Amino acid sequence: DAGVTQSPTHLIKTRGQHVTLRCSPISGHKSVSWYQQVLGQGPQFIFQYYEKEERGRGNFPDRFSARQFPNYSSELNVNALLLGDSALYLCASSPRDRVTNTGELFFGEGSRLTVL
Amino acid sequence: GESVGLHLPTLSVQEGDNSIINCAYSNSASDYFIWYKQESGKGPQFIIDIRSNMDKRQGQRVTVLLNKTVKHLSLQIAATQPGDSAVYFCAEKNAGGYQKVTFGIGTKLQVIP
Repeated sequence: DAGVTQSPTHLIKTRGQHVTLRCSPISGHKSVSWYQQVLGQGPQFIFQYYEKEERGRGNFPDRFSARQFPNYSSELNVNALLLGDSALYLCASSPRDRVTNTGELFFGEGSRLTVL
Repeated sequence: GESVGLHLPTLSVQEGDNSIINCAYSNSASDYFIWYKQESGKGPQFIIDIRSNMDKRQGQRVTVLLNKTVKHLSLQIAATQPGDSAVYFCAEKNAGGYQKVTFGIGTKLQVIP
């Protein structure tokens, strides 16, 4: 069975540019969350989407936005890139909106963004 | 060159020995405490969780202990194997609500063959 898939796996951008990262959840999963992991630190929650609606948002500026499509895949968009946006961006999927079993949250391998 | 934040706490353990990874958490209101394993180049992988009303939970080769009095969480790995080498994160989550998992500082486990 395919796990959470993310694309691209690696990309390099320059300051001020825009980036779009994509995520396909596990088949049957309707919820997608996005996390940012800066090198050497734990992941930080950015967004959760369920049934195409935003369910939660972390402490990130408005330059970060996301959406979820009818097939439950998701995009994370970051505008006006800064050097500090360099990180591994992780997508996680789960079958439900509210996870009561934390083992139901599955992470992809991430998209590594480098901003020069 | 080196980047800030690369100096993770590191635990070196001989293969076959038991490992104990510790974590201090901050939010007493969290309902779940979770351990994740992250191998190089991969996303976090769920290992085990424990509800806030429990103090011990066992899985396959792993045991999680929760001490709410001192806000301390630990992960014990029995008979550590080379495949256990990874960064381990403790994390917290509230029941219900949305799926925000708050990760702590990772610990790098190095298994010496």
